[in-house]
Amino acid sequence: AQTVTQSQPEMSVQEAETVTLSCTYDTSESDYYLFWYKQPPSRQMILVIRQEAYKQQNATENRFSVNFQKAAKSFSLKISDSQLGDAAMYFCAYDSGGGADGLTFGKGTHLIIQP
Amino acid sequence: DAGVTQSPTHLIKTRGQQVTLRCSPKSGHDTVSWYQQALGQGPQFIFQYYEEEERQRGNFPDRFSGHQFPNYSSELNVNALLLGDSALYLCASSLEDRTDTQYFGPGTRLTVL
Repeated sequence: AQTVTQSQPEMSVQEAETVTLSCTYDTSESDYYLFWYKQPPSRQMILVIRQEAYKQQNATENRFSVNFQKAAKSFSLKISDSQLGDAAMYFCAYDSGGGADGLTFGKGTHLIIQP
Repeated sequence: DAGVTQSPTHLIKTRGQQVTLRCSPKSGHDTVSWYQQALGQGPQFIFQYYEEEERQRGNFPDRFSGHQFPNYSSELNVNALLLGDSALYLCASSLEDRTDTQYFGPGTRLTVL
């Protein structure tokens, strides 16, 4: 079974600074998808960024980028120019790509933005 | 374009009761997945519905059952509620051939007393 590990229960960063959230995963598959989701206090799970394992290039979405290290099974999220609205729980998630197995989530990292 | 909607927002039940939660998928989506998120944890996959059939199931007992209607909306039923069933229940929708991209609803907060 696949597992996703987020070793940082909480991270704090000053507004406008850069922060990196860590995620490691375990799988025997060669093709899969990885995601970072944001869950603010409103509870709505919002997709931040998506990475396809067969793509070498790291995904980027505006201020959000990932460092995908397939051999190390590592998938970190970098948030540049942190804003107060970035404060939320961040979850790393894995999908086997087979379709029906559902997403496997880590336990989350609580990101605090200091003004 | 309506996103994923869930009802009710909050629900309080007592042990042993039964509960039904509802989900309407994003317009154009035909596949619905349900997740349970306990306090302080990441969501856990319960099951997925496509073409009114349960396609895959996570590690949840038979007390958890579901249904999908011809309009693709879905229900999650939980029987014989336990205190441990208290959680946020999330519904996610996708296209059958793009289940790698799921859109989540705001969730239903279930409290079992």
